[in-house]
Amino acid sequence: DGGITQSPKYLFRKEGQNVTLSCEQNLNHDAMYWYRQDPGQGLRLIYYSQIVNDFQKGDIAEGYSVSREKKESFPLTVTSAQKNPTAFYLCASSMALLTDTQYFGPGTRLTVL
Amino acid sequence: QKEVEQDPGPLSVPEGAIVSLNCTYSNSAFQYFMWYRQYSRKGPELLMYTYSSGNKEDGRFTAQVDKSSKYISLFIRDSQPSDSATYLCAMSETGTASKLTFGTGTRLQVTL
Repeated sequence: DGGITQSPKYLFRKEGQNVTLSCEQNLNHDAMYWYRQDPGQGLRLIYYSQIVNDFQKGDIAEGYSVSREKKESFPLTVTSAQKNPTAFYLCASSMALLTDTQYFGPGTRLTVL
Repeated sequence: QKEVEQDPGPLSVPEGAIVSLNCTYSNSAFQYFMWYRQYSRKGPELLMYTYSSGNKEDGRFTAQVDKSSKYISLFIRDSQPSDSATYLCAMSETGTASKLTFGTGTRLQVTL
């Protein structure tokens, strides 16, 4: 099956710890995105990547870091510098340059205790 | 003022009703308009995708874009309990494959 996978589904971490969220896609999409979803605020873009080894900050990049070493993978690290990390994190991908249609993964719910 | 405004609801309708969901926006450069459906604790799934003004129909769903009024709508005919979800509008500017701007979502509940 083609699609986007995110793991884990639920993640609990202590305050002050860095944590990495996984995102993998086998759709052969060039572009990948990370969003954060909070109640009443919709989806906000954290980082996006158009091609391998290149990525750009979105609207709320502070406290987050990413890498894009492979086309299929776009992991997101939530660092201890992120002041309010508890949220639902969504990864998406799109063909890029051809369409703005983004397809989403199932999400990871991060809770920082 | 947010770039995209969407009534959060919740909107409760009986089964079989026609549902109207709406978004307004302020950026006249938006050209691509999308509706996503998101079930609780799941990722959004693309429902409808339209370019510029006009209507698009897909089964029980109709998307309408009125660029002159900066207003988009999603109509759901013969609503079913399985339509109960949060509906997110999203839009982007012409020719870019970069970020989308999302509404906050409207929670819909279709009751038996």
